Amino acid sequence: AQKITQTQPGMFVQEKEAVTLDCTYDTSDQSYGLFWYKQPSSGEMIFLIYQGSYDEQNATEGRYSLNFQKARKSANLVISASQLGDSAMYFCAMREGNTGTASKLTFGTGTRLQVTL
Amino acid sequence: DTEVTQTPKHLVMGMTNKKSLKCEQHMGHRAMYWYKQKAKKPPELMFVYSYEKLSINESVPSRFSPECPNSSLLNLHLHALQPEDSALYLCASSQEAGHADIQYFGAGTRLSVL
Repeated sequence: AQKITQTQPGMFVQEKEAVTLDCTYDTSDQSYGLFWYKQPSSGEMIFLIYQGSYDEQNATEGRYSLNFQKARKSANLVISASQLGDSAMYFCAMREGNTGTASKLTFGTGTRLQVTL
Repeated sequence: DTEVTQTPKHLVMGMTNKKSLKCEQHMGHRAMYWYKQKAKKPPELMFVYSYEKLSINESVPSRFSPECPNSSLLNLHLHALQPEDSALYLCASSQEAGHADIQYFGAGTRLSVL
């Protein structure tokens, strides 16, 4: 079974509008972390936002917020006031466990976002 | 500063060549990673170094040989590659902070094997 599921292969949004990118996850761990990364066509993976499984508040970073619904195992990314520069591939990822060893991320298949004028 | 620097940005090599990819970070991170990413796919983990020791090898073919000379540097030595090895190779580093461990990535090396 997929551990991270992103069901939207592609999304369009108009400039200045908000958009939600969906992510659901599957884990039996109590302690885990959820991450969103942006990958423009240049290739670099840019860290956007992190949510811990024990965090009661939804994470926010500037125009990015994470809509975390633990019971539904979803961690959707909300981008407010979209800009043309937001056009990119977006990956949801999860890190399970809370050991001190180097982390192993599980990535979803990604959602390609296109911002239009 | 969350910069991870990878060189070269682009590399074209023949199947008999030997080349190396380099990765450098100065954030004091103790873990470093190599990923391979094919077009329109998510990154796939290849190797993880923790405190300069290889801690994870995801059954990568021996034609890929990682090396961590010190805590800031990570190399990937390439030898006798196949055309299907053409991909974007991404390096990342992290603090090793449990489930809150954020990996920071470099811009990648685009490798073409002819």
